[in-house]
Amino acid sequence: DAMVIQNPRYQVTQFGKPVTLSCSQTLNHNVMYWYQQKSSQAPKLLFHYYDKDFNNEADTPDNFQSRRPNTSFCFLDIRSPGLGDAAMYLCATSRVRLAGVNEQFFGPGTRLTVL
Amino acid sequence: SQQGEEDPQALSIQEGENATMNCSYKTSINNLQWYRQNSGRGLVHLILIRSNEREKHSGRLRVTLDTSKKSSSLLITASRAADTASYFCATAKAAGNKLTFGGGTRVLVKP
Repeated sequence: DAMVIQNPRYQVTQFGKPVTLSCSQTLNHNVMYWYQQKSSQAPKLLFHYYDKDFNNEADTPDNFQSRRPNTSFCFLDIRSPGLGDAAMYLCATSRVRLAGVNEQFFGPGTRLTVL
Repeated sequence: SQQGEEDPQALSIQEGENATMNCSYKTSINNLQWYRQNSGRGLVHLILIRSNEREKHSGRLRVTLDTSKKSSSLLITASRAADTASYFCATAKAAGNKLTFGGGTRVLVKP
């Protein structure tokens, strides 16, 4: 089945130790998104790729970086995780056409714990 | 800042009852979408309603959109325990590739 896969599902890291979260998709969608979601809050968009074009949100900290080496894969790098970065990180994809945003397909998320 | 605000923040009902939740937004939109999120999981798309549509149905779901009031509602009829989840509205503008999510409504359906 076509899907969005996130690995690992749970990630524990130490304060200040770089960590990478990964996302892959078999949907062949042109847009991939990374969201941060804290407990009982709405998902907050960090950045997205439209094909190879990277689009950063204005309030995304520099501590967060992303890479999309090909259509199928996208990575979220947190260079120096702080306690406040503990959250669920959600990857999503969409096939965006000229008419505007269509539905997004989400992965199961990676729960990040920072010790 | 969030585009959408949802009301109520939490809802508790008995199985078989209907659940209604509302979403308000601030700027012009191309479409509005509703998503469900089970605890600790990713979001699942439920329904999309375009700005030129007023009502849409999908199974036990009914969505309305009032662009003059900048509001939408999601009705779940004949609720089941499996409907227990958080429900988010999300708006898409005419330009760009992004969704802006509301704060969500936590729904508890008691068996």
